[in-house]
Amino acid sequence: QKEVEQNSGPLSVPEGAIASLNCTYSDRGSQSFFWYRQYSGKSPELIMSIYSNGDKEDGRFTAQLNKASQYVSLLIRDSQPSDSATYLCAVNTGGFKTIFGAGTRLFVKA
Amino acid sequence: SAVISQKPSRDICQRGTSLTIQCQVDSQVTMMFWYRQQPGQSLTLIATANQGSEATYESGFVIDKFPISRPNLTFSTLTVSNMSPEDSSIYLCSVSAGLAEISTDTQYFGPGTRLTVL
Repeated sequence: QKEVEQNSGPLSVPEGAIASLNCTYSDRGSQSFFWYRQYSGKSPELIMSIYSNGDKEDGRFTAQLNKASQYVSLLIRDSQPSDSATYLCAVNTGGFKTIFGAGTRLFVKA
Repeated sequence: SAVISQKPSRDICQRGTSLTIQCQVDSQVTMMFWYRQQPGQSLTLIATANQGSEATYESGFVIDKFPISRPNLTFSTLTVSNMSPEDSSIYLCSVSAGLAEISTDTQYFGPGTRLTVL
């Protein structure tokens, strides 16, 4: 069983819509959760981190965490073509090691 | 967040040769990581590098193939040895935990080195 699972996509949404990206993880002791965005040919960049159950909002981005269900999601409101990228979910189980999911490709159609 | 640079940004190498990739950070950091990302794939951790100790390698990666140096708190190198076409990939340096930070779990990435082995 993969430790961090994401739907590879592609997820296609029209401009202005809400994009919903989902991630599940296997280690119930996981403590820290991250979403990274990676444009083609570029390195990953951190979008958001979340540590406690509930929602965390930053601009158009909202991260949601449900530790009981071992589920993390990222919502992108008012999606723009510039949001088209691969989104990586990452989970830290304590210590220095972070596990990355395979990523979900998002296409925002103009 | 730290500013991370890598050299070279890309290279084309012949089979059997070796390439050393450099990673420089603009501030002192505790942890440095080396990842590989093959086309269309996610990140695969090669090893974790602490200053003053030997690197810790992940399953499937060995020191003879990927020797790592970490001479100080702002610099690391990864060497890809005796290269084959299967080593063609993007190699990424990542850091976490600046010395002044309490949180040790957020990672930031360098721009990557795109390696092609012929």
